[in-house]
Amino acid sequence: GAVVSQHPSRVICKSGTSVKIECRSLDFQATTMFWYRQFPKKSLMLMATSNEGSKATYEQGVEKDKFLINHASLTLSTLTVTSAHPEDSSFYICSVPTSSYNEQFFGPGTRLTVL
Amino acid sequence: LAKTTQPISMDSYEGQEVNITCSHNNIATNDYITWYQQFPSQGPRFIIQGYKTKVTNEVASLFIPADRKSSTLSLPRVSLSDTAVYYCLVGGLNTDKLIFGTGTRLQVFP
Repeated sequence: GAVVSQHPSRVICKSGTSVKIECRSLDFQATTMFWYRQFPKKSLMLMATSNEGSKATYEQGVEKDKFLINHASLTLSTLTVTSAHPEDSSFYICSVPTSSYNEQFFGPGTRLTVL
Repeated sequence: LAKTTQPISMDSYEGQEVNITCSHNNIATNDYITWYQQFPSQGPRFIIQGYKTKVTNEVASLFIPADRKSSTLSLPRVSLSDTAVYYCLVGGLNTDKLIFGTGTRLQVFP
């Protein structure tokens, strides 16, 4: 299956700063990637669909101006949390879907802590 | 996307067989059933997928009755390392988005 990496694995930042998280598909070209957020003891919540060469599609309730997504190539999608606040502290996970069946390969996740 | 319902948590002991059932009453004709495993602070990992009857791989079995309104993930002889959250999802062949339910938190005791 596809190997998906994320960088950084964890980040701590001050309130008001912006943080960029990278998601790379190491051995699979992905026209679509997904970004999830997960709070402690909770399930994954889909934030947005990242589309290569076009705008991302955001789920209802997710602020597109706060969570900027760029999918510049078939192997890289980035999520930038702008003007981060403590309530943005969470575990962010990206995934790459396979080309056919309902299966995705997930990255290891990025732990964001906003002080 | 069909909604799924799973038990919130389950406890087991090492060496036992664990069966986790998922209800998906509104599953569509072209929906597949997929199970993922997630350890703390890691991304989910694909376990098994099926459409009907029984599917078995090296880590688990998936039982799907004829009406497909439920499915059961069977983990044979669990070990402490199987302690994790298990998610059941349903979606169609061309469905891109995965909507996660609550999952089942399995705790394996020695």
